[in-house]
Amino acid sequence: AQSVSQHNHHVILSEAASLELGCNYSYGGTVNLFWYVQYPGQHLQLLLKYFSGDPLVKGIKGFEAEFIKSKFSFNLRKPSVQWSDTAEYFCAVNTGGGNKLTFGTGTQLKVEL
Amino acid sequence: DTEVTQTPKHLVMGMTNKKSLKCEQHMGHRAMYWYKQKAKKPPELMFVYSYEKLSINESVPSRFSPECPNSSLLNLHLHALQPEDSALYLCASSQVPGQTFPYEQYFGPGTRLTVT
Repeated sequence: AQSVSQHNHHVILSEAASLELGCNYSYGGTVNLFWYVQYPGQHLQLLLKYFSGDPLVKGIKGFEAEFIKSKFSFNLRKPSVQWSDTAEYFCAVNTGGGNKLTFGTGTQLKVEL
Repeated sequence: DTEVTQTPKHLVMGMTNKKSLKCEQHMGHRAMYWYKQKAKKPPELMFVYSYEKLSINESVPSRFSPECPNSSLLNLHLHALQPEDSALYLCASSQVPGQTFPYEQYFGPGTRLTVT
């Protein structure tokens, strides 16, 4: 079974700092990758997704992620964070189509003014 | 409209009670999901319905009983729950996935369940 690791459980940044959140998965076959965000008191929302093609994908709110197959990674980046980016971020993996998403343990990001 | 609604927002129930959680979407999605999310943990898949038929049951105890009465509605019937079942229960919907790729899942705000 596939697993997803997010090694940064809590991240604290100042506004305008750059962000990179790690995501690694364990599965040797075809993967479909997602980053979801959960703002305080709100529902999970999709930030971006990768199925195939250009390994650098851009999402909403200035976020991007890079799929590096050789490293089994799909790290999330943002050049300059804002206070409103304070949220929990989940990486998720789907293998070979179908319905099943496996979520990572999440990273709690706090952006300070 | 990309909204998935869930009722109630909060539910407190005793271990002998019977209650139901409700989920509704009007995006024309034919796949619907129940997830369980404990505090500080990721969502864990419980059930998936495709075309109103149960397609995945992640070995969930029988005290949780899902139902999909039509393409817009998804229910989760609860009976004889345990305190450790207290969690946020999330509903999601999507188009029915293809054989090689999934579709984005749209999540509801969840029902916060407390079992006393």
